[in-house]
Amino acid sequence: TQLLEQSPQFLSIQEGENLTVYCNSSSVFSSLQWYRQEPGEGPVLLVTVVTGGEVKKLKRLTFQFGDARKDSSLHITAAQPGDTGLYLCAGAPPAYSGAGSYQLTFGKGTKLSVIP
Amino acid sequence: NAGVTQTPKFQVLKTGQSMTLQCAQDMNHEYMSWYRQDPGMGLRLIHYSVGAGITDQGEVPNGYNVSRSTTEDFPLRLLSAAPSQTSVYFCASSPPGARYEQYFGPGTRLTVT
Repeated sequence: TQLLEQSPQFLSIQEGENLTVYCNSSSVFSSLQWYRQEPGEGPVLLVTVVTGGEVKKLKRLTFQFGDARKDSSLHITAAQPGDTGLYLCAGAPPAYSGAGSYQLTFGKGTKLSVIP
Repeated sequence: NAGVTQTPKFQVLKTGQSMTLQCAQDMNHEYMSWYRQDPGMGLRLIHYSVGAGITDQGEVPNGYNVSRSTTEDFPLRLLSAAPSQTSVYFCASSPPGARYEQYFGPGTRLTVT
């Protein structure tokens, strides 16, 4: 069974601060997605990283996939209140997986609050 | 496009009742999935479908049935509701060639008393 551990579980920061959240596993993933979920809504896909060491930027958000494709990080620069939400990472199984290879593994999320 | 739609938004059931949660997508996506989200447990896969007529079990399938008669619709049936099924249910779809990039619906909050 593949597991994804996200840290920290909760994060409360002031507007303008920088932060990094982590997504770690002992398993290899073929790709990893990051989602943001706001209260009362479904998760929204932010980015997919595929290649080990890959870095993707989405405005003030920087996503990195670990070299061994077992972990990822999300860095937010100059956080704004609009960044508040639950950040979820999800890993896709390697292509050589057998049964259950259609199943994403989700982390439990990092709940971010950005205080104005 | 409306994307992924779910009905109802909220539902209260008594133990033993049955009901169907509706899910539809208008993006011609092949893959569709049902998840439940519980505090401290994250998102867990209930059932999924890789195309019309094909369904399979996920991590927590007991007490739920699904069918996929069309590409657009993927209803989730609760056979005999139990308090342990109190949760927020999300339907998701993903396009061909990007099966893991999930587009989620707005969710159904279900309470079983």
